[in-house]
Amino acid sequence: KNQVEQSPQSLIILEGKNCTLQCNYTVSPFSNLRWYKQDTGRGPVSLTIMTFSENTKSNGRYTATLDADTKQSSLHITASQLSDSASYICVVSAYGGSQGNLIFGKGTKLSVKP
Amino acid sequence: DVKVTQSSRYLVKRTGEKVFLECVQDMDHENMFWYRQDPGLGLRLIYFSYDVKMKEKGDIPEGYSVSREKKERFSLILESASTNQTSMYLCASSLLGGSYEQYFGPGTRLTVT
Repeated sequence: KNQVEQSPQSLIILEGKNCTLQCNYTVSPFSNLRWYKQDTGRGPVSLTIMTFSENTKSNGRYTATLDADTKQSSLHITASQLSDSASYICVVSAYGGSQGNLIFGKGTKLSVKP
Repeated sequence: DVKVTQSSRYLVKRTGEKVFLECVQDMDHENMFWYRQDPGLGLRLIYFSYDVKMKEKGDIPEGYSVSREKKERFSLILESASTNQTSMYLCASSLLGGSYEQYFGPGTRLTVT
């Protein structure tokens, strides 16, 4: 069964600190992996999208890594800011099937405290 | 910039009412999607459409229907709202194909009393 598991469920860090969020997946055949940021009460916004051949992708202070062999991804946030407080959702797309075939993780809720 | 808009941010309806949620995108995307998001369950796909008048069921289509009469507009219909349909509803759009980014609207928080 295709699944995406994220950890931790929630995380509290102090402003200025770094943190890493994890995503493990069992999706086959793998097409791409996406990280989204969702502010409370808003729709998700894309941070990165990575295909099989990419193992690192950055978007400002956000850096995503992908290990297709171990089926793991991480999202590293550098020098956190209060505005980073949000839920971060890992989404994996599988080849074939319908175009709605995205498997969503349940998200990690990050709180950045001053 | 891609823009996906939803007709309401907040909506309160009574049990048994017919509810229409509308979504409009301005980037000429072929694909449009409706999701619901509940605490602890993440996003779940209700329906999606890859062309005008074309639709496919997602993971949880029961109790919902959709309509796509124009390329830019995708409507979600709750024929007879029930309390278990209280949720955040998110619309998204993307280019045709499974490897393109989905752009989400701001969401509609629906409460059915």
